[in-house]
Amino acid sequence: QSVLTQPPSVSGAPGQRVTISCTGSSSNIGAGYDVHWYQQLPGTAPKLLIYGNSYRPSGVPDRFSGSKSGTSASLAITGLQTEDEADYYCQSYDSSLSGVVFGGGTKLTVL
Amino acid sequence: EVQVLESGGGLVQPGGSLRLSCAASGFTFSTYAMNWVRQAPGKGLEWVSAISASGDSTYYADSVKGRFTISRDNSKNTLYLQMNSLRAEDTAVYYCAKGALTTVSHYYYMDVWGKGTTVTVSS
Repeated sequence: QSVLTQPPSVSGAPGQRVTISCTGSSSNIGAGYDVHWYQQLPGTAPKLLIYGNSYRPSGVPDRFSGSKSGTSASLAITGLQTEDEADYYCQSYDSSLSGVVFGGGTKLTVL
Repeated sequence: EVQVLESGGGLVQPGGSLRLSCAASGFTFSTYAMNWVRQAPGKGLEWVSAISASGDSTYYADSVKGRFTISRDNSKNTLYLQMNSLRAEDTAVYYCAKGALTTVSHYYYMDVWGKGTTVTVSS
């Protein structure tokens, strides 16, 4: 059971918009700690997608955006493309565990 | 180009030991915290351990505390993970990841990842 909760899967058609939620608690997201997102394409290593709740590293398309409110965060992907099919993970810091925590991951399928 | 490259994975019997290495290049290694993150077959990411830029502070997931030891040699730009008392549930791809900050904090994240090295614990 992951400290951060994500839906196991989401799907959408090309061109559509999807969101992936990441729910935490008062010892991580709810404490005001930043949320970061990673994309893992099939058979590859994870890649940083969003940092500091809503910032995109250089090279990440602006179709990807992040937000945070209360004890939850969300990743939004607009204009879905087939190459967006991947697993997506949220990550934060947990004060009770004194360490880094990941969500369980969400598999995005582009129909 | 900023890169990290893991090595040292392999097949080990339950109760055995293994040491992973991670060679860093393209950035000032001694300025950033470093991490090990693992992924069991068909499962999600699990943070394993981190070490501050200077090596003075170390952090561990409860699942490996007391069995794994993280260390770094800033003169060799290399990160290590000594894994002892290995169990079947330690079987995973182990990723080395560069931290974006000097130490683990409330804002900490990982901005560069290696391709991973596979550890299999089986008799």
